[in-house]
Amino acid sequence: EPEVTQTPSHQVTQMGQEVILRCVPISNHLYFYWYRQILGQKVEFLVSFYNNEISEKSEIFDDQFSVERPDGSNFTLKIRSTKLEDSAMYFCASSPTRSGAGEQYFGPGTRLTVT
Amino acid sequence: DAKTTQPPSMDCAEGRAANLPCNHSTISGNEYVYWYRQIHSQGPQYIIHGLKNNETNEMASLIITEDRKSSTLILPHATLRDTAVYYCIVRDQGGSEKLVFGKGMKLTVNP
Repeated sequence: EPEVTQTPSHQVTQMGQEVILRCVPISNHLYFYWYRQILGQKVEFLVSFYNNEISEKSEIFDDQFSVERPDGSNFTLKIRSTKLEDSAMYFCASSPTRSGAGEQYFGPGTRLTVT
Repeated sequence: DAKTTQPPSMDCAEGRAANLPCNHSTISGNEYVYWYRQIHSQGPQYIIHGLKNNETNEMASLIITEDRKSSTLILPHATLRDTAVYYCIVRDQGGSEKLVFGKGMKLTVNP
């Protein structure tokens, strides 16, 4: 069964450093998402991406964040200058369709630890 | 904010049916009901969704009341691996793409 994959599984970085989290969505999906979950808290939406453009983003997704689909298979989340509060699990998801009738399939997550 | 209300936790015996309730009294006509679960910090896993008819797939059944103000997710034969946090989410068909997760309900399946 096709699945979303994410690398690395765990990333440790120092405050102020740039990190890139990588995701390979399910191959025939067209809509891509990033969510994050701070330890012990709710899963929070960050951004959605379709047709090489951001279609929606949350207040969390400020100028320090960017997303890119550099080729036909990868989908990346970049954090330019990490802060301690960026420590969280980051989940990538993909969907074959948009919005209400489309279920989203999540990857296993990348645990980001900022020290 | 989440538009659904779920009890914080529930226990179920292994092999028995688990009936997970959800209230969504302010649901509008275009909003679907989705169920996801999250097993111990893994990525959320899609289970099932519906608009107004009852739905069944290989994982679960979804029963939506006629007035659509509440629903029940049924795991017909719960196993230990079904222990997880279960999220009931409503989302507009033509609106935002994001899933808004609440606190969910922790289901513990006991041997």
